[in-house]
Amino acid sequence: AQKITQTQPGMFVQEKEAVTLDCTYDTSDPSYGLFWYKQPSSGEMIFLIYQGSYDQQNATEGRYSLNFQKARKSANLVISASQLGDSAMYFCAMRERSGGSYIPTFGRGTSLIVHP
Amino acid sequence: DAGVTQSPTHLIKTRGQQVTLRCSPKSGHDTVSWYQQALGQGPQFIFQYYEEEERQRGNFPDRFSGHQFPNYSSELNVNALLLGDSALYLCASSSLRGQGEINQPQHFGDGTRLSIL
Repeated sequence: AQKITQTQPGMFVQEKEAVTLDCTYDTSDPSYGLFWYKQPSSGEMIFLIYQGSYDQQNATEGRYSLNFQKARKSANLVISASQLGDSAMYFCAMRERSGGSYIPTFGRGTSLIVHP
Repeated sequence: DAGVTQSPTHLIKTRGQQVTLRCSPKSGHDTVSWYQQALGQGPQFIFQYYEEEERQRGNFPDRFSGHQFPNYSSELNVNALLLGDSALYLCASSSLRGQGEINQPQHFGDGTRLSIL
């Protein structure tokens, strides 16, 4: 079974609008971390936001927020006021304990295109 | 403050050859992880190095090996290259020194794009 599922291969959004990128995860470990990364066409993975499994509040970082629904095992990324520079691949990742260390697992990504 | 640097940026090899990729971690980081990202896929974890030892390994064959040096830089070696090894190879660094690991974001380099002919 997939540990990280991103069901949207591609998303389109108008500049200045908000967009939600979906991510569901699968783990039986009560302690885990969830991350979102942005990957422009240049290839570099850029860290956006983190949510811990014990965090009571949804994480926010500037225009990025994480809609964390623990019971549904969902960690959707919300980008407010989209900008043309937000066009990129977006990856959801989870860290859970494996053999004494926390190894991250990535989803297959969602391609976001922001239209002017 | 230099981020994660990888070299070379692009590489073309033929089947059966061997390749070495290099990574310098972000200043202050002591842990280096390597990932393989095939076209249209998310990164797949290869292995992680800490204190010059392989700390954890993903589901990759022994053809993939690595090394970490005392200055925390790292190399990824791949022997007997196959066409399926064509991918973007990403290096990521983080710090385990005195910190919890689970919430440490990894900082990635720009990657090395390896093409096998």
